[in-house]
Amino acid sequence: GNSVTQMEGPVTLSEEAFLTINCTYTATGYPSLFWYVQYPGEGLQLLLKATKADDKGSNKGFEATYRKETTSFHLEKGSVQVSDSAVYFCALAYPNTGNQFYFGTGTSLTVIP
Amino acid sequence: GAGVSQSPSNKVTEKGKDVELRCDPISGHTALYWYRQRLGQGLEFLIYFQGNSAPDKSGLPSDRFSAERTGESVSTLTIQRTQQEDSAVYLCASSLTGTGSYEQYFGPGTRLTVT
Repeated sequence: GNSVTQMEGPVTLSEEAFLTINCTYTATGYPSLFWYVQYPGEGLQLLLKATKADDKGSNKGFEATYRKETTSFHLEKGSVQVSDSAVYFCALAYPNTGNQFYFGTGTSLTVIP
Repeated sequence: GAGVSQSPSNKVTEKGKDVELRCDPISGHTALYWYRQRLGQGLEFLIYFQGNSAPDKSGLPSDRFSAERTGESVSTLTIQRTQQEDSAVYLCASSLTGTGSYEQYFGPGTRLTVT
């Protein structure tokens, strides 16, 4: 079946540190991959996405590359800020069949000044 | 424009009671999804509506759970005879179409506590 596995949190980093949140997936065919972010007190919102192998999604300084050979979509940021403190969710979906998104369990990130 | 809204934001109910949760999607969005998020766990798909097609109910955990949507507007998720394990945040999302390449816009959720 389809599933997404994320590294467990919580993750605590100092401001300006390098961030990696690992995400691997199990799927057949060619899903699209997503990172969603949930800031405190807010709903989930799309952070970035990639729709095919070797694509790199990027937004707000975050990047993730769709690696089919390792079935991974790790989230990275070179220098985190306090405002990046949130819960990050990796997800996959099939663009042409659509009904289900498969989400990981979420990784909580806290950035301290 | 307005985002996805959900009501109530919090609901505390006694075990055995029925509850109804409401979702107002973004106007024009044909697809609507309900998810459940238990404490410390990921999002669990419950049900999906796409236009006037029959909904995909494959994620509903038991026959105590049901959902309705009229056209492309409001949806209600009903939980009958609530149990303590139903305590969770219930999230609604909508998107322009039901294909996975379209972004899902999430509401703030309804936190349900069954005592």
